[in-house]
This record gives sequence, C-alpha cells and structure tokens, in this order.
Amino acid sequence: DAKTTQPPSMDCAEGRAANLPCNHSTISGNEYVYWYRQIHSQGPQYIIHGLKNNETNEMASLIITEDRKSSTLILPHATLRDTAVYYCIGLEYGNKLVFGAGTILRVKS
Amino acid sequence: GAVVSQHPSWVICKSGTSVKIECRSLDFQATTMFWYRQFPKQSLMLMATSNEGSKATYEQGVEKDKFLINHASLTLSTLTVTSAHPEDSSFYICSAATGISYNEQFFGPGTRLTVL
Repeated sequence: DAKTTQPPSMDCAEGRAANLPCNHSTISGNEYVYWYRQIHSQGPQYIIHGLKNNETNEMASLIITEDRKSSTLILPHATLRDTAVYYCIGLEYGNKLVFGAGTILRVKS
Repeated sequence: GAVVSQHPSWVICKSGTSVKIECRSLDFQATTMFWYRQFPKQSLMLMATSNEGSKATYEQGVEKDKFLINHASLTLSTLTVTSAHPEDSSFYICSAATGISYNEQFFGPGTRLTVL
C-alpha cells in the first residue's frame, strides 16, 4: 500500500471550509485514495474515496492532483462535530486498511 | 446505512480473567470482519481478519492463542481476550466488509477494555 503523509494537526474556524492535505507520492495506478475519520473514542467513519477523478458526496469533496501524488479533502462548512482525526489511506482494491497517524482537525468556534 | 454494533462498550476486569467482545452487523451480512486495537494516542492497528466459517488470519505479532476470534455467522464475530493482563488494556474496534472488497469497511463504536 502507498505510504501517505499528512500534517499532524490543523485548526479551522467553524463555518469555514477545512482543507486537509495528503501526500501520496508513491501511489500506484491501482491504488485508491481513501479518507476515514475518527471522532474521539469512537470507531472510524468512512468519508470518501477516489482513484483519479475528483469526487463529492454529502460529507466532503476529494480533489486529487493530475499526477496523483497528492490530494485534498475538503469539508465545505466545518462544524464543531467535525473535530476528529482524519486518515488518508492509499489502498489497492482488495487489500487491508492500514491506518497512519492522520491529521487532528480542531474546529473552533 | 450499514450499522455495526459492539458489546460491551466498556469492560473492566481483573488480571487473569477472560473477556469476550461481540461485533454484530445489524442490517447487512458481513463475509469478512476485522479486529483492530488502539492504544491511547496511537493509530488503529489491525489484529486479525476473519471470514465466516473459517479460521481467522492474524497479523504478525498478534498471539492467536491469546486473542481468540470466532466468526460463526455472517452477522456475528467475537473476540475473546484470554488471561487478560494490564498491558491488554486498550480500545478494541471491529469492522465489517460487505463483499470481496476490504476497502469500504463499516466500523463498530469500539470497546474500551481495562484490565486491573
């Protein structure tokens, strides 16, 4: 699986967009970019995933660079409840999830 | 959406006793379930993968005789921590996958185990 690097922490003002970066320069052509988040003392929650096209769902948008070496998860209007650890995972179809350290996002009022 | 439950949500036990944790997929059939462990301020570490009706596959360094996994049905997997010791105190999380892809897993809320 591709190794990903994320900043250890970020702050975001409530109501503003939260942009969480992820570098995955060693990602292969078959590896998807998956995002999960974990709110304190809960199980992780799936957010979104993509291969090479940008993706959007009810939770977030995923922007993947054309060379697929990095991506950005966008929470368009962050709320206090979005405070969590966000994990970016490079994953080939059928392989196991491997969680890194993630980014602690703190949404502040 | 797909819901996974765990029971109990927390448990405190004495050193040397065994503890069983249940993981259930409530509204779907899970051919594969996963067990993770998370120590404070650390990330999730996969312990084992279990497929219904077959023996679990353990990750390197995880003792299969200490962490017994049973996946007897498509909606239930259990993890038994045998002869628990204080170093086994952790947050145990299960997840379930609906098909052949492991990628989209649905996670349970976790079980906090404290061994005194």
